[in-house]
Amino acid sequence: DQQVKQNSPSLSVQEGRISILNCDYTNSMFDYFLWYKKYPAEGPTFLISISSIKDKNEDGRFTVFLNKSAKHLSLHIVPSQPGDSAVYFCAANLPEETSGSRLTFGEGTQLTVNP
Amino acid sequence: DVKVTQSSRYLVKRTGEKVFLECVQDMDHENMFWYRQDPGLGLRLIYFSYDVKMKEKGDIPEGYSVSREKKERFSLILESASTNQTSMYLCASSLWAPRGERAFFGQGTRLTVV
Repeated sequence: DQQVKQNSPSLSVQEGRISILNCDYTNSMFDYFLWYKKYPAEGPTFLISISSIKDKNEDGRFTVFLNKSAKHLSLHIVPSQPGDSAVYFCAANLPEETSGSRLTFGEGTQLTVNP
Repeated sequence: DVKVTQSSRYLVKRTGEKVFLECVQDMDHENMFWYRQDPGLGLRLIYFSYDVKMKEKGDIPEGYSVSREKKERFSLILESASTNQTSMYLCASSLWAPRGERAFFGQGTRLTVV
């Protein structure tokens, strides 16, 4: 049962344009959402996050939008750069009484930014 | 900066071998996690630990066990390796927090079982 889904395995955009990566979730108990970026042969690195009590969070070229009623979030990258080419994972946190945090990840979207 | 170090980048093991994957973090994090990454399936949680000697099953614990004898070290054990355990294994750590806290990942171990 995939609770976090990224329906687009890949996305290709032109340098300087906007990249929009999408993520859907099913569990309304998720309270925190994160995006990670992963280059080949490296571990994922944290990019940006958003609490479930907000609908937008911005950090430089990266903005995450959360639509709780639709159980949908998206990551916008403007302007896109070739160095942004990587796999992007959406993750959602389920509060745990004992452990405090446990992340569930989506399948990932391979973003390719063409010069 | 937080550092999460996995003992090997690449491993090749034979079917039936017992395999140990080691992970060490240097930021005194309470939580530690083991994930595996497979194409089209994303990162799936195998086991996690929120304290020394404590462990919780993740979504795909079958065929794996873990050990956390010290706070900074979290080991993943494949009791009898099988070819379907060929994968990229990722260790992560995070602070305990009542709400979500970002996890920091190691560089990954590419395990091939032949």
